Amino acid sequence: AQTVTQSQPEMSVQEAETVTLSCTYDTSENNYYLFWYKQPPSRQMILVIRQEAYKQQNATENRFSVNFQKAAKSFSLKISDSQLGDTAMYFCAFIGSFQKLVFGTGTRLLVSP
Amino acid sequence: DSGVTQTPKHLITATGQRVTLRCSPRSGDLSVYWYQQSLDQGLQFLIQYYNGEERAKGNILERFSAQQFPDLHSELNLSSLELGDSALYFCASSVAGDGDTQYFGPGTRLTVL
Repeated sequence: AQTVTQSQPEMSVQEAETVTLSCTYDTSENNYYLFWYKQPPSRQMILVIRQEAYKQQNATENRFSVNFQKAAKSFSLKISDSQLGDTAMYFCAFIGSFQKLVFGTGTRLLVSP
Repeated sequence: DSGVTQTPKHLITATGQRVTLRCSPRSGDLSVYWYQQSLDQGLQFLIQYYNGEERAKGNILERFSAQQFPDLHSELNLSSLELGDSALYFCASSVAGDGDTQYFGPGTRLTVL
């Protein structure tokens, strides 16, 4: 079975600082996709970043970047220059050949002034 | 705004009742997915439809059913409701499947009393 593990239930960071959220996954597949979604207090699920497993280059989106280690099955999210609006629940997710997104349990991030 | 719409936003009903949740995908998207987010189960994939056909099935209860119509909107029907069905139900859409990014609607919060 495919599983996604987020071992940090909660994290906090001060504005303008950098924080890294961890995610590991388990799969026997070679072709798959990984995502980070953000869920702010509004409960809307917002895509943060996407990574294709066949690409060695780490994905970046403005202040958000990932460290994708395929052999280690690790997919961490780095948020640079943290902003108050980054306060949210962050979910790591995996999709493979079974066509369903498998989510981790989430990391609650609090950005303080 | 992801472009995915869901109605209603909130639904309060009693045990044993039946409700229908509606989802309209982003323009051009052929795949629709349904997810359930509850406190104890986290985010769970329920079912996927692609261009009117069921494509993938997750942990969807037999009391739940879904369909996708020719205009590509989708409905999730929940019957014989139990207290444990109280949750946030998300619809997501993507262009096709196979790892395409899924964009989420705002969700329908279902409360069963």
